[in-house]
Amino acid sequence: GENVEQHPSTLSVQEGDSAVIKCTYSDSASNYFPWYKQELGKRPQLIIDIRSNVGEKKDQRIAVTLNKTAKHFSLHITETQPEDSAVYFCAAPIYSGGGADGLTFGKGTHLIIQP
Amino acid sequence: DTGVSQDPRHKITKRGQNVTFRCDPISEHNRLYWYRQTLGQGPEFLTYFQNEAQLEKSRLLSDRFSAERPKGSFSTLEIQRTEQGDSAMYLCASSLEAGVNTEAFFGQGTRLTVV
Repeated sequence: GENVEQHPSTLSVQEGDSAVIKCTYSDSASNYFPWYKQELGKRPQLIIDIRSNVGEKKDQRIAVTLNKTAKHFSLHITETQPEDSAVYFCAAPIYSGGGADGLTFGKGTHLIIQP
Repeated sequence: DTGVSQDPRHKITKRGQNVTFRCDPISEHNRLYWYRQTLGQGPEFLTYFQNEAQLEKSRLLSDRFSAERPKGSFSTLEIQRTEQGDSAMYLCASSLEAGVNTEAFFGQGTRLTVV
């Protein structure tokens, strides 16, 4: 089955600097890669996703890049702000014989924005 | 209905008791997922429904876990003979389209504590 590795587990950056979180996956059939943000005590919320027909996608200060050959994808946050502090999870689809089921998630990155 | 709702938000139970959680998905969503999240980890996929059909249940943690979605709307997750290791956050998610390559919206979760 799909295995997703995420690094680093904790990332501390100065406010205004950039943050990069990296994930690798194992199943070459994977074609959808979402990123979720989870604030303390709250539900995971999708912040950006990418499909395998594109290599990069941007949404204001957030971007995701995908390298299908190397089986890795990354989240980039620029001009970080205090409200970016949260745990971020990458994910990839779980495939069974009948198609895609749920998502397998990385272990998360605790992003800390230092004032 | 503005989101996925779960009930109860918190449940404390004694070891050996049965518990049941409810999830109400976004009304037009035909896919419903159950995940478990333990402290410091990403959500772990358990099972999912396409309308009322449970299409994947091999990842349920043991035969003490079962889920239903009898009319293709709300779903329940039952844990029989609870153990301390079942203590976790149980998350429900729903998505609009048939296929995992679309945004899954999470509920706030039910936090289970087994004492």
